[in-house]
Amino acid sequence: QKEVEQNSGPLSVPEGAIASLNCTYSDRGSQSFFWYRQYSGKSPELIMSIYSNGDKEDGRFTAQLNKASQYVSLLIRDSQPSDSATYLCAAKKTSYDKVIFGPGTSLSVIP
Amino acid sequence: DTAVSQTPKYLVTQMGNDKSIKCEQNLGHDTMYWYKQDSKKFLKIMFSYNNKELIINETVPNRFSPKSPDKAHLNLHINSLELGDSAVYFCASSLLGEEKLFFGSGTQLSVL
Repeated sequence: QKEVEQNSGPLSVPEGAIASLNCTYSDRGSQSFFWYRQYSGKSPELIMSIYSNGDKEDGRFTAQLNKASQYVSLLIRDSQPSDSATYLCAAKKTSYDKVIFGPGTSLSVIP
Repeated sequence: DTAVSQTPKYLVTQMGNDKSIKCEQNLGHDTMYWYKQDSKKFLKIMFSYNNKELIINETVPNRFSPKSPDKAHLNLHINSLELGDSAVYFCASSLLGEEKLFFGSGTQLSVL
């Protein structure tokens, strides 16, 4: 069992819709959670981090964390074609531990 | 100014050869990493150095040997390359304890 799991997709949504990306993790000791976006042929870049249960909003992005269910999600409102990328969920136990990445979900926003 | 730069960007080589990838960061970070991303986009940590000291060493074949001459540089040498080594190798850096990883642009390694 992978430590961080995601649906590989591809997930296709029409432009303007809400894209919902999901992630589960197996280690209950995980404390920090991240969403990285990776465009095709490019390197990953951090777009959201979340540490407490609940929602965290940043512009069109909302990260949600439920530690009891070991579940993290990323909502992208008003999806744009420029949001088409692979989204990597990641988790970390303590500040000094390694970041464990999930396999990524490919998102395609159709104009 | 590129924050994390790695060279070469592409590396095509024959099985059995030895090759190196170099990485440099100018962000003043004290921790550097090598990640391997396979064809399915799975990004897996290989090594991590903090101030030139190895702090993470995942289950990686001995053919892979990292070297950090100083905290701004982390190189990866691979001996006796195999077909399964074909992947994109990313260098990254951070401040120890900080959450955000800064990635280099990646090295696409193809072993023929």
